[in-house]
Amino acid sequence: EIVLTQSPATLSLSPGERATLSCRASQSVGTYLDWFQQKPGQAPRLLIYDASNRVTGIPARFSGSASGTDFTLTISSLEPEDFAVYYCQQRGHWPPTFGGGTEVEIK
Amino acid sequence: EVQLVQSGAEVKKPGESLKISCEGSGYSFTNHWIGWVRQMPGKGLEWMGIIYPGDSETRYSPSFQGQVTISVDKSISTAYLQWSSLKASDTAMFYCARLRGSSWYSQPDYWGQGTLVTVSS
Repeated sequence: EIVLTQSPATLSLSPGERATLSCRASQSVGTYLDWFQQKPGQAPRLLIYDASNRVTGIPARFSGSASGTDFTLTISSLEPEDFAVYYCQQRGHWPPTFGGGTEVEIK
Repeated sequence: EVQLVQSGAEVKKPGESLKISCEGSGYSFTNHWIGWVRQMPGKGLEWMGIIYPGDSETRYSPSFQGQVTISVDKSISTAYLQWSSLKASDTAMFYCARLRGSSWYSQPDYWGQGTLVTVSS
């Protein structure tokens, strides 16, 4: 089973700041890596698929990138509604697995 | 508009059986895999398994194989997740999610609202 390690566990930032979230895979998953946002009491929402493709309707401040087994989600300038938990997920190998999540909290 | 609507919250006792549902609409139900994801209280997300409604092909994550059963009734565009004997450790929120393409490795693009299952004596 592929293990995804997300860091940091918590990111304390202010609105307007840049957020950089990391996800490292235990082995190659190609670009079969997605990012989700989850707010309290809500279902996860797909933001980025195939490492760097933004879902239609997701603001351009969200971007994803990849370098080997290291993946990054960047939020260029945090809006109040962006404070949430973010999960990466790989689907290059069965079973698909999620990282442990990064909580972006208001500083 | 694609929608996945899940059945309501359940409170059960250990040893009881349970079947929760996820009804899809707004798309061709038989052409997209549907999966189930568990989220235990205060914890992260875990894939349990997926099913292809077109032919009922099912894949389970090893951790959940033999613990649950995933099924589908394509005549009513509904997927199910069931337990034959619940344990307290089954207490969690369960989400269904549609996979975008017809392959099992497609991204999950639409999610149900979640079904909270509480198992307590």
